[in-house]
Amino acid sequence: DTEVTQTPKHLVMGMTNKKSLKCEQHMGHRAMYWYKQKAKKPPELMFVYSYEKLSINESVPSRFSPECPNSSLLNLHLHALQPEDSALYLCASSHSGGSTDTQYFGPGTRLTVL
Amino acid sequence: ILNVEQSPQSLHVQEGDSTNFTCSFPSSNFYALHWYRWETAKSPEALFVMTLNGDEKKKGRISATLNTKEGYSYLYIKGSQPEDSATYLCAFPLQAGTALIFGKGTTLSVSS
Repeated sequence: DTEVTQTPKHLVMGMTNKKSLKCEQHMGHRAMYWYKQKAKKPPELMFVYSYEKLSINESVPSRFSPECPNSSLLNLHLHALQPEDSALYLCASSHSGGSTDTQYFGPGTRLTVL
Repeated sequence: ILNVEQSPQSLHVQEGDSTNFTCSFPSSNFYALHWYRWETAKSPEALFVMTLNGDEKKKGRISATLNTKEGYSYLYIKGSQPEDSATYLCAFPLQAGTALIFGKGTTLSVSS
């Protein structure tokens, strides 16, 4: 099973809402990632978790809060977002986070902030 | 700033045509070069991870080559089919053991 699942597929939220994106993999991978993709641009890295510890935070605003409850799950908690945060949010996982590890992506959550 | 450049930005070919795209990356501190295919409404799908200068990898009608000294990789599709229509992304690790910096991709459209 090389599947990474993400829920929800679509999310519309107001600027005062609190919501969470979820990502799950059962490949035994120990590295998990959040990327943000705006229209006509490549995915941009937000966070990396390695062995359930946050290893990279690419200067993401604090209104995005990642959480890795266990090695299979990755959450992204959203609070007080801005309309410019509307994007496709992709989750990925890889074996251990090495440069040559294939990253397996989920289908993404399409987020719209009103 | 690490730049991964891809060309062309988009490409339209007829079924049966062969085509190729380019990915350019910094030739210093090379760790690996990844190729992905991303079809609309689907997850990005890994095609190749290339690590050695001169590497050539093949998956069906798709192949890729790598030149780490000059900092480029080519992706070839032989006999394009409509199902090959997708955006092809290359990606480069920022550092050893970290996540990927993606190029903007080449969007391929194959007409039957």
